[in-house]
Amino acid sequence: GQQLNQSPQSMFIQEGEDVSMNCTSSSIFNTWLWYKQDPGEGPVLLIALYKAGELTSNGRLTAQFGITRKDSFLNISASIPSDVGIYFCAELNNNDMRFGAGTRLTVKP
Amino acid sequence: DTGVSQDPRHKITKRGQNVTFRCDPISEHNRLYWYRQTLGQGPEFLTYFQNEAQLEKSRLLSDRFSAERPKGSFSTLEIQRTEQGDSAMYLCASSWGGTVQETQYFGPGTRLLVL
Repeated sequence: GQQLNQSPQSMFIQEGEDVSMNCTSSSIFNTWLWYKQDPGEGPVLLIALYKAGELTSNGRLTAQFGITRKDSFLNISASIPSDVGIYFCAELNNNDMRFGAGTRLTVKP
Repeated sequence: DTGVSQDPRHKITKRGQNVTFRCDPISEHNRLYWYRQTLGQGPEFLTYFQNEAQLEKSRLLSDRFSAERPKGSFSTLEIQRTEQGDSAMYLCASSWGGTVQETQYFGPGTRLLVL
């Protein structure tokens, strides 16, 4: 079956630094999604990407859908302490959504 | 719009007991999904409904698990004869299935601990 690889598994950064994380898939998908999950809460949708090559921003967050439709990245600029959490990529193909294992982000003030 | 809500938020039970969780989706959403999430992993799909019809089940959904959405609004997920391996966060999500490019919005989850 298809595999979704997310990296890095964890990141420790200083407040103000930029962050980049990515996901790759063994299959082509129609939609890439990026979620953030705080401890004890459900994932919250950050950015949805629908077209190959699409670049979308949401405040300090920027995400791109790779041209091959097999990868995506998420960048966070000028990180702040509340960016702490686990970031998940997810692929959506019709009704089938699969998640990466997550990138745990720690921001040191 | 109050978003997706789940009840209870936490449940501790003894092995062998039955538990039931409830999910109330966003009101205009016709699709409802259940996921399970264990520590250090992303959510894993369990099942989904379009209106009241259960259209897909994952192989993760053993015979001890049953989900219903009787009126096409709220849904319940029941686990019978719970096992310690059932301990996880159970997440519900909803979406509007009117377009191909729907996105799912998650509730806060129910964290289950089986002792």
